[in-house]
Amino acid sequence: AQRVTQPEKLLSVFKGAPVELKCNYSYSGSPELFWYVQYSRQRLQLLLRHISRESIKGFTADLNKGETSFHLKKPFAQEEDSAMYYCALEGGTDKLIFGTGTRLQVFP
Amino acid sequence: ETGVTQSPTHLIKTRGQQVTLRCSSQSGHNTVSWYQQALGQGPQFIFQYYREEENGRGNFPPRFSGLQFPNYSSELNVNALELDDSALYLCASSLFEPGNYGYTFGSGTRLTVV
Repeated sequence: AQRVTQPEKLLSVFKGAPVELKCNYSYSGSPELFWYVQYSRQRLQLLLRHISRESIKGFTADLNKGETSFHLKKPFAQEEDSAMYYCALEGGTDKLIFGTGTRLQVFP
Repeated sequence: ETGVTQSPTHLIKTRGQQVTLRCSSQSGHNTVSWYQQALGQGPQFIFQYYREEENGRGNFPPRFSGLQFPNYSSELNVNALELDDSALYLCASSLFEPGNYGYTFGSGTRLTVV
């Protein structure tokens, strides 16, 4: 079965600390993986996708097929990074399968 | 370029009633997907519409149905509402082409069933 697991509901860090939001997936083929972010009172928006290997707002994510993981990382958290983060998988059917999300709180 | 707009923003319905939610897709997009997001959960795929036909469906009963219109806007209809249907309903539009994963989400309609 296709599934995305985000084990942490809440991650709290201080400004300047490194951040790693965990995401594990279950999929038998080669998935397309994404991170979506939802800032307070804003709509869900794409943060990054693994196929483009880009860094957005200092965030990066590496697909590890051996560990079936796609963790989101940032070396130095900023207060404006506080938001809800969702990992999502697209399994060839043009639909997104989301994890339950991790709330990141960055304290000053 | 306009984004995805959904209406209404909030809605309260009684169990057993029917509801229609509306979505206008982003300019240039031809595909609309609907998601249900229960409290504390990630969005769950309901179905997708492309060229006015259903193009994929998640694990939702037939009382969840939809339409897509020639201008690519869409409706989500839910019949015989149940308390568990209370959720945020998200619409996402995209351009249906291989390798394109540019989904644009709307702000959602929050449905409360009492």
